[in-house]
Amino acid sequence: AQSVTQLGSHVSVSEGALVLLRCNYSSSVPPYLFWYVQYPNQGLQLLLKYTTGATLVKGINGFEAEFKKSETSFHLTKPSAHMSDAAEYFCAVNTLGGSQGNLIFGKGTKLSVKP
Amino acid sequence: EAGVVQSPRYKIIEKKQPVAFWCNPISGHNTLYWYRQNLGQGPELLIRYENEEAVDDSQLPKDRFSAERLKGVDSTLKIQPAELGDSAVYLCASSPKSGSPYEQYFGPGTRLTVT
Repeated sequence: AQSVTQLGSHVSVSEGALVLLRCNYSSSVPPYLFWYVQYPNQGLQLLLKYTTGATLVKGINGFEAEFKKSETSFHLTKPSAHMSDAAEYFCAVNTLGGSQGNLIFGKGTKLSVKP
Repeated sequence: EAGVVQSPRYKIIEKKQPVAFWCNPISGHNTLYWYRQNLGQGPELLIRYENEEAVDDSQLPKDRFSAERLKGVDSTLKIQPAELGDSAVYLCASSPKSGSPYEQYFGPGTRLTVT
């Protein structure tokens, strides 16, 4: 069965510092992987996705993630944090191969950015 | 382009009362999802529609929850009777038939409090 583990329910960084949010997955099929962001009292917004091809994917707002099959990881990074990045971030994996199935979400990591 | 619309945004009810949530997906999106998001958790799928058909309702507690998507556009999720444990945010999402089916667009959610 597919699952997602996000290490660290809360991460705090200083403005301008590197952001690293960790995500490990378990999947019995070739995974499609996603990062979503949720601002307070809002729905989730897609940051980036990996389906096939290049393992380093770039998303909106300067975020990127690298799919590492050997480590079953899909960590999210941003070189320099901005105050506006403070939000909750969710990693997700598909439940079936290709275009079938649904998304399984991790429990989320809340990112705080200190001035 | 208008996003996914949900109403109401907030609802407070007493236990054993009925409650209904409404969702209007993005125009042209064939797939519609209802999720429940408990505090401090990621979204969990309740039901997925392809047009009018519920193709995955395995996680929907059918003794008290029901959903419908008439004419393959708007959808309503109902709980009757509500229990204390139903307090959560109920998210609606939609995705297009073509392209990446996993690019889900989320509404702002309905925050339900059962007292």
